[in-house]
Amino acid sequence: NAGVTQTPKFRVLKTGQSMTLLCAQDMNHEYMYWYRQDPGMGLRLIHYSVGEGTTAKGEVPDGYNVSRLKKQNFLLGLESAAPSQTSVYFCASSSPVSGTSGNTQYFGPGTRLTVL
Amino acid sequence: GENVEQHPSTLSVQEGDSAVIKCTYSDSASNYFPWYKQELGKRPQLIIDIRSNVGEKKDQRIAVTLNKTAKHFSLHITETQPEDSAVYFCAARVGAAGNKLTFGGGTRVLVKP
Repeated sequence: NAGVTQTPKFRVLKTGQSMTLLCAQDMNHEYMYWYRQDPGMGLRLIHYSVGEGTTAKGEVPDGYNVSRLKKQNFLLGLESAAPSQTSVYFCASSSPVSGTSGNTQYFGPGTRLTVL
Repeated sequence: GENVEQHPSTLSVQEGDSAVIKCTYSDSASNYFPWYKQELGKRPQLIIDIRSNVGEKKDQRIAVTLNKTAKHFSLHITETQPEDSAVYFCAARVGAAGNKLTFGGGTRVLVKP
């Protein structure tokens, strides 16, 4: 049981290049999330998904796109990378909230992205 | 939307002393408040959480208190140990749809031996 995994771990891009970050979870979770982490700003939600085929915008969605074609995978795309997108990206997953269960979000190991 | 503020941003304590981190939230409809610990270079991991119908929760050396009237909640770590050194994040959730969390800016805790 690997939990939440992310690919790649590190990446360096030039301004204007594109890339896709892959998140996979084997916990059969319905919900998945993409966050970015910048110093002093905590974790900010980029996009999230409440089920296969559905996506929604979070707090900072501009410049990013996502897709959830399979329940276990959540992809984050940068079409034209900018230096402001230099950050550490975390994926997370959770079950729907039901009573006192389903609250915990489980995080992946992160992807460190540098845009030059 | 929800706004969560966290203080202090850094905290240095002597081993064995207590550490307290405070968070305030803006939306009175928030009903769930988790705390995550992130060690250097690692992923955030849940250490304790509290729901809005509970005022206090304790798990060994860590405890969380919630004051709904004042809209703030706090993490208390007693008898701190070097392995408590990490960045701690508080978060709040409004309702349950999507289980979306809004995080505070984080507190870097350093426990000096």
